[in-house]
Amino acid sequence: EAQVTQNPRYLITVTGKKLTVTCSQNMNHEYMSWYRQDPGLGLRQIYYSMNVEVTDKGDVPEGYKVSRKEKRNFPLILESPSPNQTSLYFCASRPPEDLYGYTFGSGTRLTVV
Amino acid sequence: AQSVTQPDIHITVSEGASLELRCNYSYGATPYLFWYVQSPGQGLQLLLKYFSGDTLVQGIKGFEAEFKRSQSSFNLRKPSVHWSDAAEYFCAVGAGYSTLTFGKGTMLLVSP
Repeated sequence: EAQVTQNPRYLITVTGKKLTVTCSQNMNHEYMSWYRQDPGLGLRQIYYSMNVEVTDKGDVPEGYKVSRKEKRNFPLILESPSPNQTSLYFCASRPPEDLYGYTFGSGTRLTVV
Repeated sequence: AQSVTQPDIHITVSEGASLELRCNYSYGATPYLFWYVQSPGQGLQLLLKYFSGDTLVQGIKGFEAEFKRSQSSFNLRKPSVHWSDAAEYFCAVGAGYSTLTFGKGTMLLVSP
């Protein structure tokens, strides 16, 4: 089944403790993206990647890092999480021939205390 | 820069009644427009999209949307709502190189 898989689904952590949220897709998509969703704010793009070793900032990149060493994986890294990064995170990917044909993961709910 | 406004944060509709969710966009060129649905605990699912052509677009689950350039609107409609339609709905505009800008969402509640 074609899908985007995020792990973990739920995570509670403490301020300052580095964490990584993984994202993997099995569709050989070149383009991948991370969003955060907050009540009343909708989804906002954090980072995106157009291909292996090519990443760029979205609208709200502060406090996040990403890497793209392989086409299938696009991890989101929080080096020093803070409570304002408590949010619902979505990874998405799309094929090159369909500029808006995104497949979204099921989300990761992160709580930073 | 592009933007999307969904004026209604919450809407309650009786089961079997018709539904219209509002969406207004701001974008300098011809927009690519989308409606997504997010059920509790789930990711986003594409309901329908408009790129060009017929301004009335049919989607999945019995939804449709009409693009009105003069009003900068792309409202989502359904003639008869089912309890399973209760979810959060997001309108989005595509701009630049496949960038999606989302509205803040409308939560649909369905009453019996």
